[in-house]
Amino acid sequence: RKEVEQDPGPFNVPEGATVAFNCTYSNSASQSFFWYRQDCRKEPKLLMSVYSSGNEDGRFTAQLNRASQYISLLIRDSKLSDSATYLCVVRGGTGRRALTFGSGTRLQVQP
Amino acid sequence: DGGITQSPKYLFRKEGQNVTLSCEQNLNHDAMYWYRQDPGQGLRLIYYSQIVNDFQKGDIAEGYSVSREKKESFPLTVTSAQKNPTAFYLCASTSWEGTDTQYFGPGTRLTVL
Repeated sequence: RKEVEQDPGPFNVPEGATVAFNCTYSNSASQSFFWYRQDCRKEPKLLMSVYSSGNEDGRFTAQLNRASQYISLLIRDSKLSDSATYLCVVRGGTGRRALTFGSGTRLQVQP
Repeated sequence: DGGITQSPKYLFRKEGQNVTLSCEQNLNHDAMYWYRQDPGQGLRLIYYSQIVNDFQKGDIAEGYSVSREKKESFPLTVTSAQKNPTAFYLCASTSWEGTDTQYFGPGTRLTVL
């Protein structure tokens, strides 16, 4: 079983749609959680951290359920510029500060 | 401007040759990391270093080597022992203070001919 699992997609949605990505992680000792965005052939860039209470940044809302080991990202009012791969990322509780990445979910927003 | 630089952007290598990928940061970050990404997959950790003159193997260290002689630099050598080296290589760094956000360099795309 992969440490971080995501639906690979692709998710093809029209502009203005709401889209949700889900992610599960296997290490219950994981301490930090993130969503990164990666454009084609570019490096990943931090989209947002994910907190237990849930957090929002404009059109983006992230949720964390530690009991279920589940993370989500909701994008409202999708824009063409949101087209990218979204990586669910977890930092484990072993003292190692390296991150564990999911394989990513590809989003294609269509006009 | 502060950031992470990687060079070269594209690299071609013949089978059996060693090659070294450069990673430099001027963010005064303590920890540096090397990841490998294959098409359609997430990033996998090769090596990481939390302080100068110390580094640890990641999940896929076989066929790679690193050094950390300076805080700013963390070069990765892909040796001929690496069976399938063609991939996108990403370097990242983070500070121990504040958030532990990792910042990535632009990557090096290595192709073995």
